[in-house]
Amino acid sequence: EIVLTQSPATLSLSPGERATLSCRASHSVSSYLAWYQQKHGQAPRLLIYAASNRATGIPARFSGSGSGTDYTLTISSLEPEDFAVYYCQHRSSWPLTFGGGTKVEIK
Amino acid sequence: QLQLQESGPGLVKPSETLSLTCTVSGGSMSSSNYYWGWIRQPPGKGLEWIGSIYYSGDTNYNPSLKSRVIISLDTSKKQLSLKLSSVTAADTAVYYCAGPSSRWPLEYWGQGTLVTVSS
Repeated sequence: EIVLTQSPATLSLSPGERATLSCRASHSVSSYLAWYQQKHGQAPRLLIYAASNRATGIPARFSGSGSGTDYTLTISSLEPEDFAVYYCQHRSSWPLTFGGGTKVEIK
Repeated sequence: QLQLQESGPGLVKPSETLSLTCTVSGGSMSSSNYYWGWIRQPPGKGLEWIGSIYYSGDTNYNPSLKSRVIISLDTSKKQLSLKLSSVTAADTAVYYCAGPSSRWPLEYWGQGTLVTVSS
């Protein structure tokens, strides 16, 4: 099983600041990695798939990068609606797994 | 685009079987290349993949749940089903179904349904 470790657990930032979230895999996931955003009481929403591709309707301030075992989600300038929990997930092999999440909170 | 809606009992007794249905609209379930899935989230915790099923009926399950889980697909009814047996309080969670696009296997999610295990 591939373990995904997200860091930091919590990121305290102000609107307009840049957010950098990390997801590290225990084995290479060959860019078969996605990022989801989850707001309180809502289902997760796909932001980024295949490491660096924005899903339909996702603003350009969200970007993904990485390869092998190390991946990053960057939010270039935080909007008020971006404060949420973010999860990474791989589909490189069975079983699928999710990271533990990073909460982006208002400083 | 796909729309998914979970349904089922919100309360299940310990040792009984949790049964949920996910009804799909707005798209086809018939692509052999893609799979559907169930994911759960205990209150205040992260996401846990339960299992997935292809159109062919082939399944893959989370090893930690494999002995208790059955996922099935009824394409004529456009439904995905989950059965989890011998439940305990640790199975209390919001249960989500998720479906594929050509871009990513778990792109579309239902709104989720809270299932509480309690006597």
